[in-house]
Amino acid sequence: DVKVTQSSRYLVKRTGEKVFLECVQDMDHENMFWYRQDPGLGLRLIYFSYDVKMKEKGDIPEGYSVSREKKERFSLILESASTNQTSMYLCASSLRWDRGYYTFGSGTRLTVV
Amino acid sequence: GENVEQHPSTLSVQEGDSAVIKCTYSDSASNYFPWYKQELGKRPQLIIDIRSNVGEKKDQRIAVTLNKTAKHFSLHITETQPEDSAVYFCAASLPGNQFYFGTGTSLTVIP
Repeated sequence: DVKVTQSSRYLVKRTGEKVFLECVQDMDHENMFWYRQDPGLGLRLIYFSYDVKMKEKGDIPEGYSVSREKKERFSLILESASTNQTSMYLCASSLRWDRGYYTFGSGTRLTVV
Repeated sequence: GENVEQHPSTLSVQEGDSAVIKCTYSDSASNYFPWYKQELGKRPQLIIDIRSNVGEKKDQRIAVTLNKTAKHFSLHITETQPEDSAVYFCAASLPGNQFYFGTGTSLTVIP
């Protein structure tokens, strides 16, 4: 009963490539989030969205952009991938700001070579 | 924003012993504190949460305590089992805001 789906489990990209990470949720959640997870640094928020076509920067937005054209889909874009963007990327969604916990996707392990 | 600190970063316990993970937060307005468990290669999953109007919450072998005055909250796992081995994340949330996560605790339960 997977509810937050990330399109790729593993990705290997070259430096300078444009990379798209896709996330889809089927729970009609308003809020969606992109985190990166690195050892010793925990989960750091890149971008989030509280409505279609709305986006807000998180703590580490540099080098990333996002797109939310439909409520169920939230895409993370690396405009020009760099080796320091090698990481685990986790997508999450929540019903509303004042309701509910996060449901996470399984993550995308991105390696930039 | 909020700042959440989590300790320890690694924890090893013998099977059957208890494990305690502690988190502190900086903003007294934070009112929701979830705990997530992430097993190796899997997604983080909510295991327990507590709101600021409650001091303690239990669910079988896990419990969370909250001290609003001191601005800290803790996860307690009793009678630990090997399947409790995972990374645990705490988080704090201000009203109407996103979650701020701790840096995680890697728990190993030694059979």
